[in-house]
Amino acid sequence: GAGVSQSPRYKVAKRGQDVALRCDPISGHVSLFWYQQALGQGPEFLTYFQNEAQLDKSGLPSDRFFAERPEGSVSTLKIQRTQQEDSAVYLCASSLRGPDRAQTEAFFGQGTRLTVV
Amino acid sequence: AQSVAQPEDQVNVAEGNPLTVKCTYSVSGNPYLFWYVQYPNRGLQFLLKYITGDNLVKGSYGFEAEFNKSQTSFHLKKPSALVSDSALYFCAVRDIIINKFYFGSGTKLNVKP
Repeated sequence: GAGVSQSPRYKVAKRGQDVALRCDPISGHVSLFWYQQALGQGPEFLTYFQNEAQLDKSGLPSDRFFAERPEGSVSTLKIQRTQQEDSAVYLCASSLRGPDRAQTEAFFGQGTRLTVV
Repeated sequence: AQSVAQPEDQVNVAEGNPLTVKCTYSVSGNPYLFWYVQYPNRGLQFLLKYITGDNLVKGSYGFEAEFNKSQTSFHLKKPSALVSDSALYFCAVRDIIINKFYFGSGTKLNVKP
């Protein structure tokens, strides 16, 4: 597609419910990032894929968070047993090349706003 | 570790006046610096980047940014602000070793008619 696509745009979950957030990166983009953005804050790194390999998951806040990119394109961020503190906007971004070609910027999707009630 | 700081939570400017949104950085090695803009309920939109070369880089929508190595700054500028420029602006640095982007806390730009 023309840009990074995320779905759903909005998700309301009851506390304890599991959720899955989807990201369709720009076709051919090697790197894929997930970020969490709390209200009024800058995006905070969650995890990073290069193709299908998850190279860094140091930003995932707990073992309730899990991300995958099995075929090196679409990625899913899953949150199990959601808590109220998980409420945030989850942003996905992709870039053309890996870290050895850092000239390329990341392109962001519109995000998924998760509200846990 | 790499980091960026945006010292102003909010910048107010009148339409037609020049604007500056400040950013300072802390990196080991050569900096890879970016500016993004975020409109309400939207994702981050790339404006411009500095990797190497001229210290003054030009980007989208008439924005430009000046890289200053001695002051470790990368301020965003525009000669004449528009009301439609009102948005949240984020400065970012990319760590090329571990391939992460680090974002500042954001600056809300208000352009008044």
